[in-house]
Formats: sequence, C-alpha cells, structure tokens
Amino acid sequence: EPEVTQTPSHQVTQMGQEVILRCVPISNHLYFYWYRQILGQKVEFLVSFYNNEISEKSEIFDDQFSVERPDGSNFTLKIRSTKLEDSAMYFCASRPPAGLVDEQFFGPGTRLTVL
Amino acid sequence: GNSVTQMEGPVTLSEEAFLTINCTYTATGYPSLFWYVQYPGEGLQLLLKATKADDKGSNKGFEATYRKETTSFHLEKGSVQVSDSAVYFCALLRLTGGGNKLTFGTGTQLKVEL
Repeated sequence: EPEVTQTPSHQVTQMGQEVILRCVPISNHLYFYWYRQILGQKVEFLVSFYNNEISEKSEIFDDQFSVERPDGSNFTLKIRSTKLEDSAMYFCASRPPAGLVDEQFFGPGTRLTVL
Repeated sequence: GNSVTQMEGPVTLSEEAFLTINCTYTATGYPSLFWYVQYPGEGLQLLLKATKADDKGSNKGFEATYRKETTSFHLEKGSVQVSDSAVYFCALLRLTGGGNKLTFGTGTQLKVEL
C-alpha cells in the first residue's frame, strides 16, 4: 500500500542552523501539507501546497519557513535559522486530487530537536 | 476560529473494557470530523470520519457519531485490546480558500493492559 515517507526520522541541530525536512508524498496526490506538534501540544497546521505554490499558511509559517517541491516526488520544508521553539515533531501529509477522497495521508514524522 | 477539545490522557484501561474518548469542537458552518490514531513510531492514520450531522463513522470496532446539537464526536469502543494502545486525535476539516487544513485536538493517549 502506498504511503507517505519522511526523512530523517530524527534531526538534531544547533540554534541558528538551517534544516531541511524531506517528504515523499504518495505518487498520484496533488495536495501537500506540513503540520507540527510541539511536545504535549496540539498538532498544528503550517502550510498547504498545490500546483507548485502555497495555497494557505498559518501565522506560524513566517519568513523563516519555506516549502518546495524540487522534483516530481519530494516535498521539503526548510527552516532557515532554527530557534529553540522550533523543536517539534513535523508531519507531512498528502491528499489525492479533489473529487476522490478528502482524507489526508500522513507520514511518520520527523522529530526536530534544536539545541 | 475553529478548535477541537479532547479529554486529557493518559487513559488506562484493562483489556475488554469500554472506551470513551470525548471530543467537542467549535466551528462555523458544517465541518467534517475525523479520528486519527498514532501507534508508537508510526504516522497519523485515519481511523474513522463523518461528514455531516448524525453520520456515524466506524472502523475496527471503533465508532463515533457526529452530533451537531452538542458539537461532539466522541470515540467509543465496546471492548478494547492491548493492540489499541496508541494516541488518538480528534480533528475537523473545513473547506477553506486553500487546501483543506485539518484542525486537531491535543491527542489522548490510551494504554490498555492485560
């Protein structure tokens, strides 16, 4: 069964460093998402992406964040200069074309630890 | 704005016990409602969903009914197993101008013991 994959599973970085979190969505999906969960808190929406552009972003998704679909398979989240408060579990999700199902399929997450 | 409130965990039950995890929501319009489950070391998996009032979602013995009058979507299972131990997330989805973002609750950890 196709699934969303994410790498790495755990990333440790120093404050101020750039990190790139990688996701491979399910191949025929067209909508892509990033969410995050700070330990003990809610899963929060960060950004949605469709047709090679951001379709919606939350107030968390400031200028330090960017997303990209550099080729036909990867979907990346970049944090330009990490802060301690960026430590969280980051989930990627993808959704099939509109009109099929409205379910978002999630990856296993990347745990980001900023020291 | 939209929000989802879940009962806090962890919830610890003996095998074959009855499970209820409460979920209430605040939203304008008519959202779709979901329960996601996260097993240890895995991603979020859709457990069940309901798209309109009075719909009942069910899967793997779990059920939840979309109650508009009480704005609730409580998860129930008649007889839990050790393998049900996981974190359960209630979520709502409202069509937005963008790509249909999910709003999640904080998650409820369930531990089932022999």
